[in-house]
Amino acid sequence: ETGVTQTPRHLVMGMTNKKSLKCEQHLGHNAMYWYKQSAKKPLELMFVYNFKEQTENNSVPSRFSPECPNSSHLFLHLHTLQPEDSALYLCASSQESLSVDTQYFGPGTRLTVL
Amino acid sequence: AQKVTQAQTEISVVEKEDVTLDCVYETRDTTYYLFWYKQPPSGELVFLIRRNSFDEQNEISGRYSWNFQKSTSSFNFTITASQVVDSAVYFCALSEAPYDKVIFGPGTSLSVIP
Repeated sequence: ETGVTQTPRHLVMGMTNKKSLKCEQHLGHNAMYWYKQSAKKPLELMFVYNFKEQTENNSVPSRFSPECPNSSHLFLHLHTLQPEDSALYLCASSQESLSVDTQYFGPGTRLTVL
Repeated sequence: AQKVTQAQTEISVVEKEDVTLDCVYETRDTTYYLFWYKQPPSGELVFLIRRNSFDEQNEISGRYSWNFQKSTSSFNFTITASQVVDSAVYFCALSEAPYDKVIFGPGTSLSVIP
């Protein structure tokens, strides 16, 4: 099993839909992250979870709702998104967030909002 | 102000040519960490290197080498004898105290033409 997996890899949804992105890490890490990668823009950190506790919410709109039931799983629940939310959503994990640990990334979910 | 600048948006080289990707960073911290990541077309960011601010020794790993110069706040990445498989977007990144975030540059898209 590869280190960080994400499902689905591609998702198309309407603005009124509710969907969830899933991330799973098999590296024994304690910190997990959601990033948004839009075209022509740097990666934007959205959320950080350290030992299942959210330690960072980088001014993300409430239509994005993260959930971290355990250190291995991270979800991003999506509700009433806008077309400008279309992007590649990347999950990452590291040993823990409050030290300089290398982050390992999943392949991403390519989200298109119609 | 952008903390991590990658001035080269896109670079194209012919296979076997050497290519250098520039990275300039901005920080007031004395202790910080720099990273390079590779993002192939598949989307997953692949960790390449992490360097702390106290270690200015250049590093070589196979065809990859990194030139860290604190005097110019640069952390450049050179690929020697480029190959088609090197085609990807390369991101330079910075982590400052308390090291719970990694700030990514905008990326340089490298195309290696056979």
